[in-house]
Amino acid sequence: EAGVAQSPRYKIIEKRQSVAFWCNPISGHATLYWYQQILGQGPKLLIQFQNNGVVDDSQLPKDRFSAERLKGVDSTLKIQPAKLEDSAVYLCASSLARDREGYEQYFGPGTRLTVT
Amino acid sequence: KQEVTQIPAALSVPEGENLVLNCSFTDSAIYNLQWFRQDPGKGLTSLLLIQSSQREQTSGRLNASLDKSSGRSTLYIAASQPGDSATYLCAVRHAGRRALTFGSGTRLQVQP
Repeated sequence: EAGVAQSPRYKIIEKRQSVAFWCNPISGHATLYWYQQILGQGPKLLIQFQNNGVVDDSQLPKDRFSAERLKGVDSTLKIQPAKLEDSAVYLCASSLARDREGYEQYFGPGTRLTVT
Repeated sequence: KQEVTQIPAALSVPEGENLVLNCSFTDSAIYNLQWFRQDPGKGLTSLLLIQSSQREQTSGRLNASLDKSSGRSTLYIAASQPGDSATYLCAVRHAGRRALTFGSGTRLQVQP
């Protein structure tokens, strides 16, 4: 079974530039998450999709971050314009859709963003 | 608001030692708790998932316990090896949310 795919793996941009990340979840996983992990900290949820609908984007800085999941499969996360504090690893995860207890979340390798 | 704390932040042990990593959470209304491993520059690998109705889970040399009422979990690693060197993250799924709340991790170094 193929895992969660992300690209690019690394990206270096200057502040005020734009950047986009792509995620392809595990086949059949209806729920998709984007997390931000700043160095030395645990991942923090940015946005959660159920199929192509947003379930939780309460911690997404909407003035500069946007995300979409067209057709309920692949997803893109965009930052425009980037700030120095956006330097982090952006992790995509997916899980099955059931709400009760527990389905594991499976994580991709992440995209390491450096803003200079 | 759920908060997850991991102690210690860093740990260095000689090869062969048994060790315990600790995780505590403030809100006991959880669906499950997951332990992850993260190698430098890599994503997260799920090690163990404990449902709220369970007390422990075992996989090979790893054993994770959950005491929901006291808001604690431990990850026990038996006979540690240099290949176990990584950051270990604890995460809880709060009832009513699918997203995970993570601790900051314990950075483990196993010396050969």
